[in-house]
Amino acid sequence: GAGVSQTPSNKVTEKGKYVELRCDPISGHTALYWYRQSLGQGPEFLIYFQGTGAADDSGLPNDRFFAVRPEGSVSTLKIQRTERGDSAVYLCASSQGPRGVEQFFGPGTRLTVL
Amino acid sequence: EDQVTQSPEALRLQEGESSSLNCSYTVSGLRGLFWYRQDPGKGPEFLFTLYSAGEEKEKERLKATLTKKESFLHITAPKPEDSATYLCAVQAPGTYKYIFGTGTRLKVLA
Repeated sequence: GAGVSQTPSNKVTEKGKYVELRCDPISGHTALYWYRQSLGQGPEFLIYFQGTGAADDSGLPNDRFFAVRPEGSVSTLKIQRTERGDSAVYLCASSQGPRGVEQFFGPGTRLTVL
Repeated sequence: EDQVTQSPEALRLQEGESSSLNCSYTVSGLRGLFWYRQDPGKGPEFLFTLYSAGEEKEKERLKATLTKKESFLHITAPKPEDSATYLCAVQAPGTYKYIFGTGTRLKVLA
């Protein structure tokens, strides 16, 4: 595909449920980032992958959040025991490298926890 | 602590009324400063990267400049289609993180 895609575009779940959010980066991009964006705020860093490994997961808020990228392309962000405070837009971005280069963002997944 | 502050939070301009958005940062040894545009319901779209003080880049009605402590995004003769949120981000050396500001919501009135 031409750009970064994310599925689903919207996800409504109940408090305590488990959710998975998917990101398909631009083909050939080795760097992949996950961000969380709340209303009126800028994107907040969650985790960075270089290839298959998480090189920096310091932005994950707690151990309910986990992300994988098993084959170095598609990534899944997993949230266990969702809380209302997890409601936000989750953005994925990819780039050709990890430092000093522009990122290409997907449209985001809007997560609503009831 | 590395921080990015954008001002103003919101800006309303008449079509053709030029102005500037500000992004100030506290990062030692900047690896890059990035400007993005974000339309409602969409992900940020890359505009510019600036690497060193004194650098300038232009694209249509937009011009970005960089000093040691801040960056400006100048909008010349804006049009309604320039209405969006403009985000600034920095990356500090020794880290993979990009730190974003809260953005400036620009509204250009016809």
